[in-house]
Amino acid sequence: QVQLVQSGAEVKKPGASVKVSCKASGYSFISYGLSWVRQAPGQGLEWMGWISIYNGNTFYAQKVQGRVTMTTDTSTSTAYMELRSLTSDDTAVYYCARDDEQWPSSYFDYWGQGTLVTVSS
Amino acid sequence: DIQMTQSPSTLSASVGDRVTITCRASQSISSWLAWYQQKPGKAPKLLIYKASSLQSGVPSRFSGSGSGTEFTLTISSLQPDDFATYYCQHYNSYSGLAFGGGTKVDIK
Repeated sequence: QVQLVQSGAEVKKPGASVKVSCKASGYSFISYGLSWVRQAPGQGLEWMGWISIYNGNTFYAQKVQGRVTMTTDTSTSTAYMELRSLTSDDTAVYYCARDDEQWPSSYFDYWGQGTLVTVSS
Repeated sequence: DIQMTQSPSTLSASVGDRVTITCRASQSISSWLAWYQQKPGKAPKLLIYKASSLQSGVPSRFSGSGSGTEFTLTISSLQPDDFATYYCQHYNSYSGLAFGGGTKVDIK
């Protein structure tokens, strides 16, 4: 069955970086894309960006453009999302979600379990 | 950028009720709309895509309708498992995608 398994919770200081992983199984990793979505405590869902597993093309939301980098390792079927220059506003649960292989982004039929990133001094 | 507005933000209902949630887009998005259900501490679950297509495994009491700028999610007979927060999402746009603010369905 399709599974997306994310790395564990992180606590970071303001100004630091965080890198969250998302390991896929149960489907052809290279045939789909991945999006990253975050959710601040008690808030709604915010799309952060998309990556094509096939060619590494990316599209980032304007709000995080310049601070986020999405990458993949096809040898381990793992995607990564790195966010730099963290502030308290970045405290959230971060989700990876299976997406279309080509841009523009589509709907998300499978999601990871979420990774809580807490930014605190 | 396209903005998605959901109403109401909170809805109180009883088991067996017919429930309707509305999602409005700031400009036409054709039928490029999905609906998700999220329970506390869990990842969202896809219910509907392309405005009215039911995702595999989702109960038939869920239905979606609409096109252009106005969309609805209907639960024909609310069940205890349906108390959750629901989000709409537009997609297939070269400028990115966006979610609605969410509608929490709680027990009356």
